[in-house]
Amino acid sequence: GAGVSQSPSNKVTEKGKDVELRCDPISGHTALYWYRQSLGQGLEFLIYFQGNSAPDKSGLPSDRFSAERTGGSVSTLTIQRTQQEDSAVYLCASSLGPWREAFFGQGTRLTVV
Amino acid sequence: GEDVEQSLFLSVREGDSSVINCTYTDSSSTYLYWYKQEPGAGLQLLTYIFSNMDMKQDQRLTVLLNKKDKHLSLRIADTQTGDSAIYFCAESPLFSGGYNKLIFGAGTRLAVHP
Repeated sequence: GAGVSQSPSNKVTEKGKDVELRCDPISGHTALYWYRQSLGQGLEFLIYFQGNSAPDKSGLPSDRFSAERTGGSVSTLTIQRTQQEDSAVYLCASSLGPWREAFFGQGTRLTVV
Repeated sequence: GEDVEQSLFLSVREGDSSVINCTYTDSSSTYLYWYKQEPGAGLQLLTYIFSNMDMKQDQRLTVLLNKKDKHLSLRIADTQTGDSAIYFCAESPLFSGGYNKLIFGAGTRLAVHP
């Protein structure tokens, strides 16, 4: 596709439910990042994938958060047993390689009620 | 530790210059970035500067880097209403894991009024 695509664009879920957020990176981009933007705060790094290497999960805030990247392309961020503090905009980015410019998607706005 | 700080709000009159300031902590950062986020949109890379440079100019944008003080600024000349957005400063520490792990500030909301 022309850019990084994220779905859904908005998601409202009840506290305690699981959610899955999807990211389609730009074709050919081997690096993929997830960031979280909470209200009034900067963007917080969550996880990084590069090709078939083991991901850097050091930014995941708790074990309720997990992510996978299938076939080196599409990525899914899963949040289990959602809490109100998980409400944020989740941004995905991809790049041609580890030190190349990152292109961001429009994000998924998650609201936990 | 890693930390990027910037003021949260700036208001300017249309046609004036805007200056958004940022301080960062990691002197190993090879590149420093400015991103723009318009309402409901993702982040757009505006410009970046390599750490061995003091200044970079790109049309209406001027980036100044004071590496000694770890201070970065973005100047927008002849600010227009279309420049109203949130501007994020970001550093990329060299020893963050072998990739371009961006450390962002909280963002500066620029409001341009007539």
